Amino acid sequence: AQSVTQLGSHVSVSEGALVLLRCNYSSSVPPYLFWYVQYPNQGLQLLLKYTSAATLVKGINGFEAEFKKSETSFHLTKPSAHMSDAAEYFCAVSGDNQGGKLIFGQGTELSVKP
Amino acid sequence: DGGITQSPKYLFRKEGQNVTLSCEQNLNHDAMYWYRQDPGQGLRLIYYSQIVNDFQKGDIAEGYSVSREKKESFPLTVTSAQKNPTAFYLCASSISLGGRTEAFFGQGTRLTVV
Repeated sequence: AQSVTQLGSHVSVSEGALVLLRCNYSSSVPPYLFWYVQYPNQGLQLLLKYTSAATLVKGINGFEAEFKKSETSFHLTKPSAHMSDAAEYFCAVSGDNQGGKLIFGQGTELSVKP
Repeated sequence: DGGITQSPKYLFRKEGQNVTLSCEQNLNHDAMYWYRQDPGQGLRLIYYSQIVNDFQKGDIAEGYSVSREKKESFPLTVTSAQKNPTAFYLCASSISLGGRTEAFFGQGTRLTVV
């Protein structure tokens, strides 16, 4: 079975500081990994995805994530936080043996202080 | 514009009533999903469908029903058997049920039992 753990339900950073949101996965098959962002009362928008090509994945809005198989991690980073980055972020995993179903983590709420 | 449309955005239900949430997509996607979102619990899969006239239970299907009579439409009925229906409901679609294909989400329906 596959699962995702997001460390920290709430992360707070200052504007201009590094953003680091942690995601660890468990999977018995090569995983496909995704990061989504959700603004209040809206749906989810894809930030980036890993599908076994390059291990460093660049996404929208300056975010990137690195797939580390040895650490079973797929942490999301952004060098400099902006006020507009305040939102909830979800890590998700799927695999060819799961019928394409996405399994989501609990979510991390990011706050950005001026 | 292509996308997923959920309606209504807000829905109020009296206890003991069935309500149906609408989800329509014009992306020509084969797969569609319904997720339930509660604070601090991430997204949990209710039902999913790979093809017209076929659907599968997700992790929390009890008290819910779906139909897939058309490729574009995947309505969700919340029945009176669902004991705690107040939540944010998200519909999604993807090209197929393959693990590497990302899901596209609607804007959600917030259901409140009064």
